[in-house]
Amino acid sequence: KQEVTQIPAALSVPEGENLVLNCSFTDSAIYNLQWFRQDPGKGLTSLLLIQSSQREQTSGRLNASLDKSSGRSTLYIAASQPGDSATYLCAVRGSQGNLIFGKGTKLSVKP
Amino acid sequence: DTAVSQTPKYLVTQMGNDKSIKCEQNLGHDTMYWYKQDSKKFLKIMFSYNNKELIINETVPNRFSPKSPDKAHLNLHINSLELGDSAVYFCASSQGSAGANVLTFGAGSRLTVL
Repeated sequence: KQEVTQIPAALSVPEGENLVLNCSFTDSAIYNLQWFRQDPGKGLTSLLLIQSSQREQTSGRLNASLDKSSGRSTLYIAASQPGDSATYLCAVRGSQGNLIFGKGTKLSVKP
Repeated sequence: DTAVSQTPKYLVTQMGNDKSIKCEQNLGHDTMYWYKQDSKKFLKIMFSYNNKELIINETVPNRFSPKSPDKAHLNLHINSLELGDSAVYFCASSQGSAGANVLTFGAGSRLTVL
């Protein structure tokens, strides 16, 4: 059974720092991996989608990498801003098509 | 706006009542999902429908009954509500039930059972 783990559970950094969020999964047979952002009381916003055949995806200050064989993904955020404060969720898409989520990393960027 | 929309956004009700949450997507997707986010913020799949056919049914009490009148709608009906049903319920949709496609989520429906 696929399990997704995110480390750390919470992270607090000063504005301007570069940071890395980690995601690991137990079953490498995935279709893709998706990073989401969730703001308090809000829905999920898709940030990046990496297909199983890809190694990384970039969008603005965000870069996500995928190492399927080792069951790991990282989300790199460059030059963090207070507006980046949110919970970041990693999810893998398995053979049934549903997303299996980690518990998230709660990021706080202090001005 | 192209989106996944859920109603109501907030729902407060007494134990034992029956309630429904509605979901509609105008993205032209053929697959829709219901996820539950519990008090610990953990998101878990409940149901998935592809072209109105149930394809995923996780271990969910049979008090929960999804209904898909057409592929743009997936409603969630809950009978005999219990305190533990309090959560945020998210609807999502995608094109295709497997493979490379992105899931688009609604804003969530916060259910509070008193």
